[in-house]
Amino acid sequence: AQSVTQLGSHVSVSEGALVLLRCNYSSSVPPYLFWYVQYPNQGLQLLLKYTSAATLVKGINDFEAEFKKSETSFHLTKPSAHMSDAAEYFCAVTNAGGTSYGKLTFGQGTILTVHP
Amino acid sequence: DGGITQSPKYLFRKEGQNVTLSCEQNLNHDAMYWYRQDPGQGLRLIYYSQIVNDFQKGDIAEGYSVSREKKESFPLTVTSAQKNPTAFYLCASSKGSGTSTDTQYFGPGTRLTVL
Repeated sequence: AQSVTQLGSHVSVSEGALVLLRCNYSSSVPPYLFWYVQYPNQGLQLLLKYTSAATLVKGINDFEAEFKKSETSFHLTKPSAHMSDAAEYFCAVTNAGGTSYGKLTFGQGTILTVHP
Repeated sequence: DGGITQSPKYLFRKEGQNVTLSCEQNLNHDAMYWYRQDPGQGLRLIYYSQIVNDFQKGDIAEGYSVSREKKESFPLTVTSAQKNPTAFYLCASSKGSGTSTDTQYFGPGTRLTVL
């Protein structure tokens, strides 16, 4: 079984401040991990994904995430928040092979608010 | 432009009625998925299809049905058996390369409201 926990349903930062969105996963086999962003009333857009290559993954719009096996974490960061980053962010996990083909398990989501 | 289209964007249904949500992709992807999104619950998988004429139940398939007669189309029917159908429905597709690293690409979603 696999699961994802996103710590904090709402995160608020000031423009220019560091963004840190937390994601912890549970998986019985090596995981593949994804971060998606969703703007209001829209679909999801992939920010980045970890697929067992480099543990530090860079994505679009200066977002990055680090896979830490010992902590079972895949936190998303951005050095400097922009107003346009305000959205809901989802962490998701799938297993490398096995019977979970194509099945993404999503966290509950974190709404990011950016203040001027 | 390649992408995934969902229609309609907003849909209203009376209790007891079946309704079908459309999902079309021109990305030449083999795999397609339907998710349901409720506030604070993330996305939950309803059905998925890895190839034409084949599909599998996801975590919350009860009260829903699908078909996959064409590669580019994966319509979802919300039946009257679904007790709480008001939600945001998202369709996705992926190459279906047989690996778990496939990226799923999402459509813009359909918001269904039961009156």
